[in-house]
Amino acid sequence: DTAVSQTPKYLVTQMGNDKSIKCEQNLGHDTMYWYKQDSKKFLKIMFSYNNKELIINETVPNRFSPKSPDKAHLNLHINSLELGDSAVYFCASSQAGTGAFFGQGTRLTVV
Amino acid sequence: QQQVKQSPQSLIVQKGGISIINCAYENTAFDYFPWYQQFPGKGPALLIAIRPDVSEKKEGRFTISFNKSAKQFSLHIMDSQPGDSATYFCAASKSSNTGKLIFGQGTTLQVKP
Repeated sequence: DTAVSQTPKYLVTQMGNDKSIKCEQNLGHDTMYWYKQDSKKFLKIMFSYNNKELIINETVPNRFSPKSPDKAHLNLHINSLELGDSAVYFCASSQAGTGAFFGQGTRLTVV
Repeated sequence: QQQVKQSPQSLIVQKGGISIINCAYENTAFDYFPWYQQFPGKGPALLIAIRPDVSEKKEGRFTISFNKSAKQFSLHIMDSQPGDSATYFCAASKSSNTGKLIFGQGTTLQVKP
């Protein structure tokens, strides 16, 4: 059983399109996250979300929006995609006192 | 402002040797310090973590050393193996949200047979 799963694994799309990445965790964790890994492998948090609070990294453009239908899911919706959005996006989850457990990533390429 | 600084950027070690990766942090409010291992095409995997109330934590061949006064911590990989070749990231977070991680820049480790 995959603990944190995200789809799709690869996503190629044109500039200006809107796309979504789905994430599900079966660990029963309270908090979920989206991270972005750039071409230099640098990892940066985008969002932290639990039932009570959404924390947005102030550097994230408002074209990016997390949507959580329930505790086990946190999807990432991106509007008006730009070339600079090309990166690997990781979903993760954690329980209080533990580090984050990551999914396998979605490689987004904007052409 | 880079809150967690990691070095070296890359490291080559012979099989059986010791790999050492260092990190320094700035925010004294951080109180959870994990290390992650990432293989190509995979997500980062939690390797080992430490809190500032201890100076060292060991799990198998992996050891974290922590120096609270210097705001530094390091990962030691003993008896390094070719299968350890990966990118390693240090990170830091606060106990209020331990999964909200600030990562170092990463170290690419190559262990030669």
